[in-house]
Amino acid sequence: GNSVTQMEGPVTLSEEAFLTINCTYTATGYPSLFWYVQYPGEGLQLLLKATKADDKGSNKGFEATYRKETTSFHLEKGSVQVSDSAVYFCALSLIQGAQKLVFGQGTRLTINP
Amino acid sequence: DTEVTQTPKHLVMGMTNKKSLKCEQHMGHRAMYWYKQKAKKPPELMFVYSYEKLSINESVPSRFSPECPNSSLLNLHLHALQPEDSALYLCASSQARDSWKHTQYFGPGTRLTVL
Repeated sequence: GNSVTQMEGPVTLSEEAFLTINCTYTATGYPSLFWYVQYPGEGLQLLLKATKADDKGSNKGFEATYRKETTSFHLEKGSVQVSDSAVYFCALSLIQGAQKLVFGQGTRLTINP
Repeated sequence: DTEVTQTPKHLVMGMTNKKSLKCEQHMGHRAMYWYKQKAKKPPELMFVYSYEKLSINESVPSRFSPECPNSSLLNLHLHALQPEDSALYLCASSQARDSWKHTQYFGPGTRLTVL
C-alpha cells in the first residue's frame, strides 16, 4: 500500500543547531512528495515539495531531496530558529479517483533559545 | 494570493444542533477537500470535490453532509454530531488537472467542540 513513515518526535534542539527529520515512503507509481508545517492553532502550510526523482525542494532555509533509490525525502535545515518550532508533516500525493495526500504521523519540533 | 478562508474559527454545538462550516478560495482551483484532524494526529481526508462534483467520500458518517455550491465555495453541514466528532476541520484546495503534482493549500481550520 501507500504509506509515509516519519521519525518519531518530539524533537528538541537548541537555536542554530542542525536539523534533520527523516521521512521514508512506500508508494505504487511515482508520487509527488511534500513537507507541510503546522504552527500551533493554525492550518497546514506548504513548506516545500518535489515532483520527481532527484528534485530538491527548498524554502526558508529548509531543503529536502526526492531520493527514489532510498524512497526518502528527509527534511534538513542548517541553523534552526525558535520560530521554527512547529509540527512537520511529510506527505505523498497520488491519484485514487482524485488527488489524495497520505501523511506521516508528524514530528513535533521545539527549538530552545 | 494562496489563501483559503474558513468560517467560523471556533464552533461549539450540542448533539441535537444543526450547523455549517464554510470554506472559500479565489485561486481558481477546481478541487476542494475536507479533512478532520484530531489532536497530535495528521489530517484525515473526508471528502473531495472535483469540478463541483463529489469524487471521494471516505466512508464518512451521514451526519456530515458536504456541499459545493460553486467553484469557490465548499460547505460542510453538521447534524446530530457526537462528542467524538470534536476536532479541527480543515478545508483545502488545489488545481484539479494533473492534481498529483499540485500543492493543496489549506485553510486555518474550524475548531469544533461537540457537547
